[in-house]
Formats: sequence, structure tokens, C-alpha cells
Amino acid sequence: DAKTTQPPSMDCAEGRAANLPCNHSTISGNEYVYWYRQIHSQGPQYIIHGLKNNETNEMASLIITEDRKSSTLILPHATLRDTAVYYCIVRVAGRDDKIIFGKGTRLHILP
Amino acid sequence: NAGVTQTPKFQVLKTGQSMTLQCAQDMNHEYMSWYRQDPGMGLRLIHYSVGAGITDQGEVPNGYNVSRSTTEDFPLRLLSAAPSQTSVYFCASSPLAGNYEQYFGPGTRLTVT
Repeated sequence: DAKTTQPPSMDCAEGRAANLPCNHSTISGNEYVYWYRQIHSQGPQYIIHGLKNNETNEMASLIITEDRKSSTLILPHATLRDTAVYYCIVRVAGRDDKIIFGKGTRLHILP
Repeated sequence: NAGVTQTPKFQVLKTGQSMTLQCAQDMNHEYMSWYRQDPGMGLRLIHYSVGAGITDQGEVPNGYNVSRSTTEDFPLRLLSAAPSQTSVYFCASSPLAGNYEQYFGPGTRLTVT
């Protein structure tokens, strides 16, 4: 079973910030949080990852709560091209564990 | 680098036929995996490998075989295709050591009639 829980779908107005939540209440101290997205039927694409500090790159920001039991992916200025399914997963770096994806959140950007 | 390549892009099989989906990566990644994605669903892990000669089962391994004779290639074999195996199949790879993301191939769309 996936170690994360996400809402099945969300809407966001174009130009606004999209905030996608993820619950990972059973996360271990050495597990990282990764976010991927899948546009239409393409292969998933990496977005960002983090351990406990907030992270930002050119695509998004990742906010991880202090207890690490949940996180939020922020797309600061959503565009129609951000319409996709977003997956939150946890993984131990350098370990040979299974990498399990859940059902993800289908994000609809509204014009 | 070509990244992760998958062939074929599309395939139609009849029930009971066998075939092999090919996956190759040129990034010298130790970790490779196969996922299937049914319409409107998330990705489910079929099999994975942490290096040449080592494979293990994922969430939905039944009906599929894998082998890893080289670092670069990780073929997925359907022994006797069933309509329930109609799906899109994605292969992915990543380094094992360190903290890196997975790279996904473009997928193979398989229909079993």
C-alpha cells in the first residue's frame, strides 16, 4: 500500500497558487518526500523532493511540516499546462525498497 | 543520453499470446522498475531490480516475468496475455546510492483482446 494519502482531485484558477496536500503520517526519519506529475498519458516527471527543510526549485516549492507527517506542493502561478495528476511518494535514499505510487491528485487548472 | 527508452509504443495481443516489453537506459542506473497504469488509475509496481542479476516482486507481479542480465536492460515478459493485462506500461530507472529521482520512459500501450 502507498504510504501517502492525497485528495483525488482539486481545482485551481489560472494564475493563482496551487497548493497540493499530502499526508504521510507514518514517514520514517530517513524517508524523503518526492513529488512527481503526469501530464495526460506521458511518463511521470520529477518535480521536487525534500527531507525536512522546505525546498524550492524552478518548478515548485515543497513545504514539509515540522513533524514531517504532511507536506504541501506549491505551484506559485498555475497555468493550463500544469493540469496533470500529481503524485506524492516517500522513499529512503539509496535503499532498495519498492517505490510505491498512490492514486495521486488530479489538478484541474481553470481558465 | 537517450534516457529511458521503451519498445514497442503500441501493441495488440490476442489472449494467450506471449510477448516481451523492452526497456533500456543509458544512464548506468542500478535501480529499474516496471509499473502498469490502468485507465483513470495511479501507477502500480509490477517488478523491480536493484542491479544486474537481482529482481524482486512489486505490488502486482502475477502474470509477468522479468530478468536483469545487464545494467542497461530490464525486459518485462507476459507469458500468456489476458485481457486484464490491457494497460499502459511504464519503465523507470534511478541511481541506487544517493538521493535521486526516477526517470520514466514514454510507456507502452498494450491491448489484449
